[in-house]
Amino acid sequence: AQSVTQLDSHVSVSEGTPVLLRCNYSSSYSPSLFWYVQHPNKGLQLLLKYTSAATLVKGINGFEAEFKKSETSFHLTKPSAHMSDAAEYFCVVSVLYLYQKVTFGTGTKLQVIP
Amino acid sequence: NAGVTQTPKFQVLKTGQSMTLQCAQDMNHEYMSWYRQDPGMGLRLIHYSVGAGITDQGEVPNGYNVSRSTTEDFPLRLLSAAPSQTSVYFCASSTDRPLEREGLPGANVLTFGAGSRLTVL
Repeated sequence: AQSVTQLDSHVSVSEGTPVLLRCNYSSSYSPSLFWYVQHPNKGLQLLLKYTSAATLVKGINGFEAEFKKSETSFHLTKPSAHMSDAAEYFCVVSVLYLYQKVTFGTGTKLQVIP
Repeated sequence: NAGVTQTPKFQVLKTGQSMTLQCAQDMNHEYMSWYRQDPGMGLRLIHYSVGAGITDQGEVPNGYNVSRSTTEDFPLRLLSAAPSQTSVYFCASSTDRPLEREGLPGANVLTFGAGSRLTVL
């Protein structure tokens, strides 16, 4: 069994301040972890992925995430928020056992205040 | 390279009507899936397929049918639409090969279609 918990449904930050979006997961197998971003009325776009290589993963648009196995966390961060970062962010866990099983978190809406 | 193409983008149905949401990918991906997105619930898996002729149920399969006769296509059928099926539907595909073995940067990453917004009155 696997699950993903995004700890905040909404996060509001001022432009230029750091962003932290929290994600905890559980999985019976070694997971791959992803963050996807969805801008309003758009499809989902991959931000970054962790697949058992380096635990600190860098993605697009200055985002990065750190895989912490002991804490079962995969939090998304960015040093300085930009107005264009306003979107909904989804943490995703994927396990390849017999088949690929993918589970989405419920999403975190990021608001960036000018 | 078109990626994942979904049609239609918008559809309004009356309760009891049937329709098919189309999904096609041109990346030779083995894995295809359908999700529905509802406010506050993230994306929930409806059905998925790991190859032509193989389909299985996801988290919320009731009221939906799928088939996979070719690698490229994975249509989602609503046989008798209900207002509870009002949602945004996303089709997604990926290879199912582990990144570590294949060394392919795209493996295991879901590629999404642009979505289909369905309203059932």
